[in-house]
Amino acid sequence: GAVVSQHPSWVICKSGTSVKIECRSLDFQATTMFWYRQFPKQSLMLMATSNEGSKATYEQGVEKDKFLINHASLTLSTLTVTSAHPEDSSFYICSARPSTGSSYEQYFGPGTRLTVT
Amino acid sequence: KQEVTQIPAALSVPEGENLVLNCSFTDSAIYNLQWFRQDPGKGLTSLLLIQSSQREQTSGRLNASLDKSSGRSTLYIAASQPGDSATYLCAVQGSQGNLIFGKGTKLSVKP
Repeated sequence: GAVVSQHPSWVICKSGTSVKIECRSLDFQATTMFWYRQFPKQSLMLMATSNEGSKATYEQGVEKDKFLINHASLTLSTLTVTSAHPEDSSFYICSARPSTGSSYEQYFGPGTRLTVT
Repeated sequence: KQEVTQIPAALSVPEGENLVLNCSFTDSAIYNLQWFRQDPGKGLTSLLLIQSSQREQTSGRLNASLDKSSGRSTLYIAASQPGDSATYLCAVQGSQGNLIFGKGTKLSVKP
């Protein structure tokens, strides 16, 4: 149980275009989902916390107008990278916290590799 | 601001060796500490979670300890195997639920 999927697993896009990444909790409901970004040889950095039915909370330094987050249901959160640039190329990982259970539970998706050319 | 540091950044050992990975954090006010494994280009697999009130957790050949007052945790891997080769991430969790990660230790176990 507690499986989180991400789609796509990898994507290549041209500079200036937008890319949407989906994060789904497959066998549980998640009121809260987290989006992380990992640059090569760097640690995972939290970008934003997504709560179902409300606006996402962004970490300092993350542009909310560039990284649009929509958590429209208890099993799906999406991250849209708008007007992507090569410096946005990174590994994006989401995690989902079950609506029931302890607050420390998080289950991670397999990640999405974004390359902007 | 919480910062998590992992030492060493990389480690190469022959198969069968016991090894220790280190993690330190600057703010002792943590909810818990977790060790994860990450394979290249993949997501994270949770290995061990230590609550702030606990001192250690064990799972198979893995043992993690936590000294909250000194801001340190170690992950001990016994009898290492080539399949243990991966990047090991340490993360602390605050009361808000978000995880703060170290940069990881890249482990290579040679047959």
